[in-house]
Amino acid sequence: GAGVSQSPRYKVAKRGQDVALRCDPISGHVSLFWYQQALGQGPEFLTYFQNEAQLDKSGLPSDRFFAERPEGSVSTLKIQRTQQEDSAVYLCASSLGNRGPGGPYEKLFFGSGTQLSVL
Amino acid sequence: DAKTTQPNSMESNEEEPVHLPCNHSTISGTDYIHWYRQLPSQGPEYVIHGLTSNVNNRMASLAIAEDRKSSTLILHRATLRDAAVYYCILYSSLPRAGNNRKLIWGLGTSLAVNP
Repeated sequence: GAGVSQSPRYKVAKRGQDVALRCDPISGHVSLFWYQQALGQGPEFLTYFQNEAQLDKSGLPSDRFFAERPEGSVSTLKIQRTQQEDSAVYLCASSLGNRGPGGPYEKLFFGSGTQLSVL
Repeated sequence: DAKTTQPNSMESNEEEPVHLPCNHSTISGTDYIHWYRQLPSQGPEYVIHGLTSNVNNRMASLAIAEDRKSSTLILHRATLRDAAVYYCILYSSLPRAGNNRKLIWGLGTSLAVNP
């Protein structure tokens, strides 16, 4: 596709329910990132993949959060036993390469996000 | 990680230039300065980035102070479509444990453009 695609666009979950959020990055992009954005705040890093390898998951807030990218393309962020504080927009971003931040490969392309509301 | 400081909000008139400041007094020599913007209900969008020299692209210009402790994003002629939150972010080029690639985002500057 032309850009990063995320689904669903909106998700309403009851507290305690498990949810799965999908991200389709731009074809051929090596790097994939998940961010969480609370209302009125900047995005906060959750996790980073280089191809299928999850190289950094230091931002995941608890063990209820799990992300995977088994074939190095599509990624899923799963949240188990959702809580009200999980309500936020979850953003996925991809970039072409895994080099340093100065080169043209490091530009991040973001999806429109999934807005999760936990009731 | 080095942090950035930006004004919470700014206002501009359509077709006038806009200068969005960013302070990063603790920047290190290996930190790149990146700017993204986020339109309402959308994900952030890359604007521009630089290291030491001023940079220009079709969207904007980036002016970097000689001591690199501050920078300014310049929109040459603001349009209504430029109303967004603008984030100034530092990105270290140093490899870190786990190949750390996270970006630290602040609250950004909310730019309003008046018709």
